[in-house]
Amino acid sequence: DAKTTQPTSMDCAEGRAANLPCNHSTISGNEYVYWYRQIHSQGPQYIIHGLKNNETNEMASLIITEDRKSSTLILPHATLRDTAVYYCITHHGTASKLTFGTGTRLQVTL
Amino acid sequence: GAVVSQHPSWVICKSGTSVKIECRSLDFQATTMFWYRQFPKQSLMLMATSNEGSKATYEQGVEKDKFLINHASLTLSTLTVTSAHPEDSSFYICSGLTTARGYDEQYFGPGTRLTVT
Repeated sequence: DAKTTQPTSMDCAEGRAANLPCNHSTISGNEYVYWYRQIHSQGPQYIIHGLKNNETNEMASLIITEDRKSSTLILPHATLRDTAVYYCITHHGTASKLTFGTGTRLQVTL
Repeated sequence: GAVVSQHPSWVICKSGTSVKIECRSLDFQATTMFWYRQFPKQSLMLMATSNEGSKATYEQGVEKDKFLINHASLTLSTLTVTSAHPEDSSFYICSGLTTARGYDEQYFGPGTRLTVT
């Protein structure tokens, strides 16, 4: 799986959009981009994934650049409960293991 | 999303004893389950991949005789930490994999905090 680079930490005001970037410049053509988050002392939670096209679900939106070398996870209206570590992972999507990096610690503040 | 449970949620044991942690997929069948370990302020590190009915595949540096994994059914995997020592104190997390929707979905349990005294 391709190596990903994320900022160590970010802050976001409650109610504003949180935009979390991820670089994956060595991603291969058949690798997906997955996003998980881990709230303190809990197991990771799946957020969203995509291959080429932008994706949106009830939790977030995923914007993938045309060259697929980077992506951005968008939480449209961050709440205090979104405070967590967010992991961007590239993955072949074929029953193989996930490799977690250090992620981005998002702190949502009042 | 699918639900994975772990039991116990926390456990304290004495050095030299063994501890078993259960991981169950409650509403889906997981042919593959993964076991991770997470030390304070660090990321998750994969310990082993467990396929139902076969031996687990351990990551480099993980002692298979110390961390016994059994995946006897499509909904249950167990991790036994044998002869536990204080350095084994950690947060252990399992996950179950399903491809029911045509792509990988990995659902994680809530974790088990092990403290060895």
